Amino acid sequence: DVKVTQSSRYLVKRTGEKVFLECVQDMDHENMFWYRQDPGLGLRLIYFSYDVKMKEKGDIPEGYSVSREKKERFSLILESASTNQTSMYLCASRGTGNQPQHFGDGTRLSIL
Amino acid sequence: GENVEQHPSTLSVQEGDSAVIKCTYSDSASNYFPWYKQELGKRPQLIIDIRSNVGEKKDQRIAVTLNKTAKHFSLHITETQPEDSAVYFCAASHFGNEKLTFGTGTRLTIIP
Repeated sequence: DVKVTQSSRYLVKRTGEKVFLECVQDMDHENMFWYRQDPGLGLRLIYFSYDVKMKEKGDIPEGYSVSREKKERFSLILESASTNQTSMYLCASRGTGNQPQHFGDGTRLSIL
Repeated sequence: GENVEQHPSTLSVQEGDSAVIKCTYSDSASNYFPWYKQELGKRPQLIIDIRSNVGEKKDQRIAVTLNKTAKHFSLHITETQPEDSAVYFCAASHFGNEKLTFGTGTRLTIIP
């Protein structure tokens, strides 16, 4: 079974802090994704990566950056956290060729 | 890019009745259509998917139908049970584009 592991289930940070959200997958998937989920807005793609050191902007990349130094790990970075980044963050991974996408358990991030 | 619309946003059905959720997509190149179920506080999980070379796929009480000409696909849940209560998301992608485009979700409530 595919395992996508996010480092924290709950996280509380202060405005202006630099925040790192980590995600690791164990299926050697090429593609990894970061979403945020807010009530009524569904799943919105922040960034994705289709290979090590490769990244592409999703629909809402402003205020975020990502890092993919190793194939199994994809990090989301909030350079200077703001209260409007309080949300549920979901990581996902997917193999190539129209394969199913698998999600982690999510990190509920609160910025105070 | 791809645009996926999902209806209805909320749906309540009596236990034992059927539920239908519909999605339309805009990119005629899309050929992979998964459905995800997200229970409260949990990760989205794949429940069924269909590729464009078939028009229907069934797995016990769940079925998905695809109309490529009209560019819409639907999730059908028969003999609904309380544990079917969740938010359901449809999505679409095509071979060579590993990014799934999600609908905005349907909150399904099964009334005992």
